[in-house]
Amino acid sequence: QVQLVQSGAEVKKPGSSVKVSCKASGGTFNSFAISWVRQAPGQGLEWMGGIIPMFGTTDFAQRFQGRVTLTADRSTSTAYMELSSLRSEDTAIYYCARTTSYDILTGYPGWGQGTLVTVSS
Amino acid sequence: DIQMTQSPSSLSASVGDRVTITCRASQTISIYLNWYQQKSGRAPKLLISAASSLQSGVPSRFSGSGSGTDFTLTINSLQPEDFATYYCQQSHSTPLTFGQGTRLEIK
Repeated sequence: QVQLVQSGAEVKKPGSSVKVSCKASGGTFNSFAISWVRQAPGQGLEWMGGIIPMFGTTDFAQRFQGRVTLTADRSTSTAYMELSSLRSEDTAIYYCARTTSYDILTGYPGWGQGTLVTVSS
Repeated sequence: DIQMTQSPSSLSASVGDRVTITCRASQTISIYLNWYQQKSGRAPKLLISAASSLQSGVPSRFSGSGSGTDFTLTINSLQPEDFATYYCQQSHSTPLTFGQGTRLEIK
């Protein structure tokens, strides 16, 4: 069973960038897609975008276009989400989640533990 | 973007009750609908995919139904560990979108 382990909490200044990692272990990193979902304090779930590591293809929610970068390092089975031009509204828990196929359009049975990103001056 | 609307937003019930949560899509999504359970401080857990397919290890008291625009999640004989927030998510097209959540509380 593939487990996803995310990097630790971050505190960032407005206008800066943050890069969160998501390392897969216990299975083949190349056999699924990964999406990034965030959850602001006390709020619901918001999809930011997804990547298929095997092919490097990405898809993003329009509101994050130009501000989010998704990458995947197949040699270390690690996916990354970088969000730039941070503002206070980006304070949230950021989750990576995986599918069981090369398809972003599906349910997500595997989730990382979440990474809290706090944006504050 | 496809809007997902859940009802109710919150629900109080007792152990042993049967509860139903509804999710409506703003356009037809066939059966591309998934249900998640989220407990406080934890990542979401996939319960049901493709509207009615129970994930491995999920108790059979959970069931899902629907197609097109209207979907339901039913929990039979509520157990103490079922009190959580539930989200629907459409996987018909990107951007993937979630309902606003239904908070299930103990009465």
